[in-house]
Amino acid sequence: DVKVTQSSRYLVKRTGEKVFLECVQDMDHENMFWYRQDPGLGLRLIYFSYDVKMKEKGDIPEGYSVSREKKERFSLILESASTNQTSMYLCASSLYGPGGAGEQFFGPGTRLTVL
Amino acid sequence: QQQVKQSPQSLIVQKGGISIINCAYENTAFDYFPWYQQFPGKGPALLIAIRPDVSEKKEGRFTISFNKSAKQFSLHIMDSQPGDSATYFCAALNTGTASKLTFGTGTRLQVTL
Repeated sequence: DVKVTQSSRYLVKRTGEKVFLECVQDMDHENMFWYRQDPGLGLRLIYFSYDVKMKEKGDIPEGYSVSREKKERFSLILESASTNQTSMYLCASSLYGPGGAGEQFFGPGTRLTVL
Repeated sequence: QQQVKQSPQSLIVQKGGISIINCAYENTAFDYFPWYQQFPGKGPALLIAIRPDVSEKKEGRFTISFNKSAKQFSLHIMDSQPGDSATYFCAALNTGTASKLTFGTGTRLQVTL
């Protein structure tokens, strides 16, 4: 069964802290994505990666960075957390290329609260 | 810049009724249009998808209608059930270039008894 796991379901951090969100997929997918989900704004892409050590900015990369050292693992880093980064964070993966790009497999999400 | 506009934001339908969610896109290079379903506490999951070479695709009670000239597509849920209560996202992709989906803002559907 296809699986994308995220390290935490709920996380509470303080303003200014460095925050790491981890995502692991077991499907040998090339593409991995980080989104944030906010009411009324839908899913907004933060960063994505189409290969190990490769990354591309999405629509809202400011305040975030990512790391992909292994194919199965994609980390989202908040260098200095701020209250406006309180949100639900979703990781997803997909196969590379047109055939697989449309079906993304999502993890259950991490609800991050920054106080 | 929102490239996929989705409406309504929320929808309440009685059990057995038809739920209709609409999306409009701007980029004519999009050539793959999936719908994702998200239950509370879960990540979204692919529900049904269509390519613009057909005007309709049906899977069980779920149907996508596609109007290429109007750059619109919609999801119809026939005989809506309480178990269909979820958030639905439309999306669009240009399969020839980037692998990233452009999502609509989502519709929260509640099916009442």
